[in-house]
Amino acid sequence: GIQVEQSPPDLILQEGANSTLRCNFSDSVNNLQWFHQNPWGQLINLFYIPSGTKQNGRLSATTVATERYSLLYISSSQTTDSGVYFCAPDQTGANNLFFGTGTRLTVIP
Amino acid sequence: EAQVTQNPRYLITVTGKKLTVTCSQNMNHEYMSWYRQDPGLGLRQIYYSMNVEVTDKGDVPEGYKVSRKEKRNFPLILESPSPNQTSLYFCASRSRLQETQYFGPGTRLLVL
Repeated sequence: GIQVEQSPPDLILQEGANSTLRCNFSDSVNNLQWFHQNPWGQLINLFYIPSGTKQNGRLSATTVATERYSLLYISSSQTTDSGVYFCAPDQTGANNLFFGTGTRLTVIP
Repeated sequence: EAQVTQNPRYLITVTGKKLTVTCSQNMNHEYMSWYRQDPGLGLRQIYYSMNVEVTDKGDVPEGYKVSRKEKRNFPLILESPSPNQTSLYFCASRSRLQETQYFGPGTRLLVL
């Protein structure tokens, strides 16, 4: 399967700060998804982004498939943004996802 | 309400005692998957299914079985659980035509 590396592994931010999370993957992919796992363990789909840029409120994501990386931008961070962010490429297009080990984000007031 | 449900949410069992974790979705989704989450390893896909009677192995299928006899249900079967299957398990579903993936609340399994 695909190897997925996420950086940084841990990030602590002051509320209101901006951040960029990176995801590198080892092979060509059919698509890529970003997820947020909140401190209670719930997993939420943030973006489905095989290529290009998407924005949803304070979050945006960019995938450059030819260079095998994706970026997640969080602007004006809030304490509710805390949790673990995962990227998950899909090599086959059949929802066969390979998750990275995640970036643990802590936003402090 | 659109949701993915899993049962049980917590389970303690002993080595070798067969168990089934159920997963059901009410959104008529084609795609369903099972994942396990272990500290430091992220989520790893166990099995995935593109539709009824269509299943395929994910990254870590050893020791698990699945079936997809109905579109809404995708049970995960551990025929002979072992302690290394102690983990947090998630079921997920997605429509073939839409992007959003929905996860169940998770099942925490402890095998003694």
